[in-house]
Amino acid sequence: AQKVTQAQTEISVVEKEDVTLDCVYETRDTTYYLFWYKQPPSGELVFLIRRNSFDEQNEISGRYSWNFQKSTSSFNFTITASQVVDSAVYFCALISVRGGFKTIFGAGTRLFVKA
Amino acid sequence: DAGVIQSPRHEVTEMGQEVTLRCKPISGHDYLFWYRQTMMRGLELLIYFNNNVPIDDSGMPEDRFSAKMPNASFSTLKIQPSEPRDSAVYFCASSFSQLEAFFGQGTRLTVV
Repeated sequence: AQKVTQAQTEISVVEKEDVTLDCVYETRDTTYYLFWYKQPPSGELVFLIRRNSFDEQNEISGRYSWNFQKSTSSFNFTITASQVVDSAVYFCALISVRGGFKTIFGAGTRLFVKA
Repeated sequence: DAGVIQSPRHEVTEMGQEVTLRCKPISGHDYLFWYRQTMMRGLELLIYFNNNVPIDDSGMPEDRFSAKMPNASFSTLKIQPSEPRDSAVYFCASSFSQLEAFFGQGTRLTVV
């Protein structure tokens, strides 16, 4: 079975703080893909990043960074020097070949960044 | 590119009425997905198309729901008859692969 767990329901930080959003996944497949999406108050989901199961290299994009660790089945997302515009719901997601390429979303983490 | 376009943005209807949600995917994308988002169940994939052909509709809740994609630039999701438990935000998304998807702004459906 495929599963994505985002244990943090809500996180509140003050602007300029660093914040890490946790994501733990479950799959028996050896080929799978992990994603993060952002859902701002306007409602649409915005794709942020995709990582393949065979590439554990971490990635940094501006203030965003992602830590993929197969040993702990985790794909955590860190925002450095958070800003008010980062306030949104963030979803971690999984696609596996055995899962028929259907996207399994976590429940989401709502991030509040206060000025 | 205008992105994925959904209409209407908001729909309020009475129980028993037919509801049709519309979607225009990003040009050149071969995959189109319909999702439903509720507080209780989160984001659920209802159905997806590849080259206008329905591939997997196992997420469609029941026979009251149907989806069509008559051409590469248009898809509909129809609920007939609608029920209050169908109230949700319905998203359409498109993709050039089965991987990352590009979402529309959603249709917020309220069935009273």
